[in-house]
Amino acid sequence: GQNIDQPTEMTATEGAIVQINCTYQTSGFNGLFWYQQHAGEAPTFLSYNVLDGLEEKGRFSSFLSRSKGYSYLLLKELQMKDSASYLCAVRDQNGANNLFFGTGTRLTVIP
Amino acid sequence: ETGVTQSPTHLIKTRGQQVTLRCSSQSGHNTVSWYQQALGQGPQFIFQYYREEENGRGNFPPRFSGLQFPNYSSELNVNALELDDSALYLCASRAWGFGTGELFFGEGSRLTVL
Repeated sequence: GQNIDQPTEMTATEGAIVQINCTYQTSGFNGLFWYQQHAGEAPTFLSYNVLDGLEEKGRFSSFLSRSKGYSYLLLKELQMKDSASYLCAVRDQNGANNLFFGTGTRLTVIP
Repeated sequence: ETGVTQSPTHLIKTRGQQVTLRCSSQSGHNTVSWYQQALGQGPQFIFQYYREEENGRGNFPPRFSGLQFPNYSSELNVNALELDDSALYLCASRAWGFGTGELFFGEGSRLTVL
C-alpha cells in the first residue's frame, strides 16, 4: 500500500518563499510528482523526481530523498495566483505504475 | 492537440441509481485512469485502463466499473449510488512507456447524490 502525508494548510506572503513537504511510504517507488490544483479546476503537472536531488523549473523547485521517503516543493517569489492546493503523488511500480495522491496542501498567499 | 475532455460536467442522482461518466483521452495517450476527489481531499485512485483492460485498481467496491474503447476513450460506471459517492470524478490520461508518464487531467464530472 501507499501512505502519503503533507500539511493540510499553509499561508505565506506575496513575494516570499514557501516550502511544502511530503513524506511517503510505498512498496514500489517509481517516481514522485507534484501537481497544482486551483479551486474547481483540474490538477496540472508541476514537477517530477525519480532520482535524489533538486529539480528546478523557474520559480518552482522540487527535491527528493528516496532513502528518507521525503520530498518538498519550493515556491519562490510567491504571487497571488499561486494560491491553490498542491498535491504530492507517488508512482507505484507494483501494479502498472499507478499514481497515488496525498490529501493536498492548500496554500493561501496573502498580500 | 486536444486535451482530456469529460462529460457531463455536473449531474445529480438519487441514492440507488446508476451513473455513467465519459472521458476522451488526450491525443496520443493510450492509458486512462479514474480518480474520485471528495471536497478538500486529494484524488483517490479508482482504476486504470490500458489496451481496453483494467490493469490497476484502488480500494473501491465492484459497483465501480469501467470500460476503455479502441479509440482509448473511457467510461466509469457506478451502480447502486450511495450518498458518499458525491464527489468530483477526474479522468486522466497518459502515454504508457513515453516520457515521465505524468497524468493529464480533465476538468472532472461533479456528481451529487441525494
